[in-house]
Amino acid sequence: GAGVSQTPSNKVTEKGKYVELRCDPISGHTALYWYRQSLGQGPEFLIYFQGTGAADDSGLPNDRFFAVRPEGSVSTLKIQRTERGDSAVYLCASSNGLAQDTQYFGPGTRLTVL
Amino acid sequence: AQTVTQSQPEMSVQEAETVTLSCTYDTSESNYYLFWYKQPPSRQMILVIRQEAYKQQNATENRFSVNFQKAAKSFSLKISDSQLGDTAMYFCAFMTQGGSEKLVFGKGTKLTVNP
Repeated sequence: GAGVSQTPSNKVTEKGKYVELRCDPISGHTALYWYRQSLGQGPEFLIYFQGTGAADDSGLPNDRFFAVRPEGSVSTLKIQRTERGDSAVYLCASSNGLAQDTQYFGPGTRLTVL
Repeated sequence: AQTVTQSQPEMSVQEAETVTLSCTYDTSESNYYLFWYKQPPSRQMILVIRQEAYKQQNATENRFSVNFQKAAKSFSLKISDSQLGDTAMYFCAFMTQGGSEKLVFGKGTKLTVNP
């Protein structure tokens, strides 16, 4: 289990509901990233953590999106009042925190909002 | 803002042959990093190769090599001796040195290797 893991693999929810997506980074990696990949597109940056703090959250689309990493390991991406446009694959990546280090990706969570 | 353009939505190649995927980018930065990632149907992004902009020598990883033209802002990926397992989406990505650690991705090229 050396890789980045994400749960759930798939999530189907109804418009207006709240969802949480979880990311377990590679052990010892201090940096963690969230990206969103819409159908037919490349991943788009959402937020980057260095340790427990969000070093860059400029990619979060609006205040319905929030992410935490309270102990500097596992991270949770939280989406309130989901909309159909939130449907996408949410990818998590981690790195050892050195500048411009390689980011290792998890398999993603496919979120479908009905 | 940086942008990455992949002008080939789909490509195909015969097994054992060579294929080149194109990528161009736009930035005002002088120091940055470029990457090619592979995404098979399993969805997991896998790093294929990376290039530091300050290095003039093109990066090589086994059957994968890049042609980095800094002045032209071009970063193409060459796959030699294509294998069936190379079938995947390929994404070109950019990262600024010294700034946010975020990757900026292109839209991807779907590569199919035919037997």
